[in-house]
Amino acid sequence: ILNVEQSPQSLHVQEGDSTNFTCSFPSSNFYALHWYRWETAKSPEALFVMTLNGDEKKKGRISATLNTKEGYSYLYIKGSQPEDSATYLCALRNTGNQFYFGTGTSLTVIP
Amino acid sequence: DTEVTQTPKHLVMGMTNKKSLKCEQHMGHRAMYWYKQKAKKPPELMFVYSYEKLSINESVPSRFSPECPNSSLLNLHLHALQPEDSALYLCASSQDVSGVNTGELFFGEGSRLTVL
Repeated sequence: ILNVEQSPQSLHVQEGDSTNFTCSFPSSNFYALHWYRWETAKSPEALFVMTLNGDEKKKGRISATLNTKEGYSYLYIKGSQPEDSATYLCALRNTGNQFYFGTGTSLTVIP
Repeated sequence: DTEVTQTPKHLVMGMTNKKSLKCEQHMGHRAMYWYKQKAKKPPELMFVYSYEKLSINESVPSRFSPECPNSSLLNLHLHALQPEDSALYLCASSQDVSGVNTGELFFGEGSRLTVL
């Protein structure tokens, strides 16, 4: 079992602010790190999949980095909008089909 | 719109009932998953089917019985559940991860189960 921790647990930001949160893990013994976005009453949706140390991915105003040597990934949101309000889940996938999820960071963007 | 469909969205059952949760996907994915999620906790893996065969059972009690009738369908049969089994049950699918696919999960919206 891979222990995945996310911080902070929840976050409130003003519209237009930029923000970031962290996914940390104790081991580099995994195949990929995934970020998912989960809006209330909807299904979790994949944002990024990262596999290599130093990976950086970007989709619009959202980006993510991976540091496997120090055991963390950051998710950044630039210029937060109310529609960014969601829970952001981080998950590690091993070489099989097992995903280990963190508890998520709940983001609320205040208009 | 999610491409993984789960029914029912809500289910209330007694401890002596037998019910089933259903999941369907038409993306040609060959891996399908059941996750259980309780409030403020991460989704916990229960079962994985790969090419319609059960490949992972994370020591789930036998009162939960998965079934994969074909590559598009995944069921979770429920019998003699306990109130602590009340949770959100998420189904997901992915391309087979044994190759070079990204392996990202496509989730349904979940079935909210309440056991009285």
